[in-house]
Amino acid sequence: EVQLLESGGELIQAGGSLRLSCAVSGFIFNNYAMNWVRQAPGKGLEWVSAISGSGDDTYYADSVKGRFTVSRDNSKNMLYLQMNTLRADDTAVYYCARQVVRYFEDWGRGTLVTVSS
Amino acid sequence: DIQMTQSPSSLSASVGDRVTITCRASQSIRSYLNWYQQKPGEAPKLLVYAASNLQTGVPSRFGGSESGTDFTLTISGLQPEDFATYYCQQTNTIPFTFGPGTKVDI
Repeated sequence: EVQLLESGGELIQAGGSLRLSCAVSGFIFNNYAMNWVRQAPGKGLEWVSAISGSGDDTYYADSVKGRFTVSRDNSKNMLYLQMNTLRADDTAVYYCARQVVRYFEDWGRGTLVTVSS
Repeated sequence: DIQMTQSPSSLSASVGDRVTITCRASQSIRSYLNWYQQKPGEAPKLLVYAASNLQTGVPSRFGGSESGTDFTLTISGLQPEDFATYYCQQTNTIPFTFGPGTKVDI
């Protein structure tokens, strides 16, 4: 059974840094690209970042480029999102999602990041 | 970036109704269009991928179709568990953009 479990979300002041983690199991981790998607309270879904299976290729939404860094440790089946210079509009539930071909087949339950200004 | 629009933004329906949600891309995305269902407090769930392919385990009352840059999600015979918000997503080009969502309620 595929499982994704995010952690690391918390209340943090604007300008601060936070690292989110996503622990995965149930599939061969390095065979799949992974994504981060966020959802601000009461709002829609926003794609944030993607990373290839090897970790060699990374992609970002313009809204987080230069502030967020996605990485993975394939030996530990872990996905990460390092978030720096956090802003109030980064407040959201952050989901990790497994990408199969061109769709997001599996999602974690999310972790809440609240940035106070 | 490719912009995705959805219509309607919300709709009221009854159990047994046929519901149609439309998603339009601002440019060609080929067939790289996915549909997700999200219920309050839950993660999104994949319903349809590549415009018209039903994800394993999703009831056959859900269906997807495409016509150029217009995509449609149809629910034939709405069930109580279908009341949720539905999002389309294009994965033709990064950034992978989502539509704003369509809320289906009673």
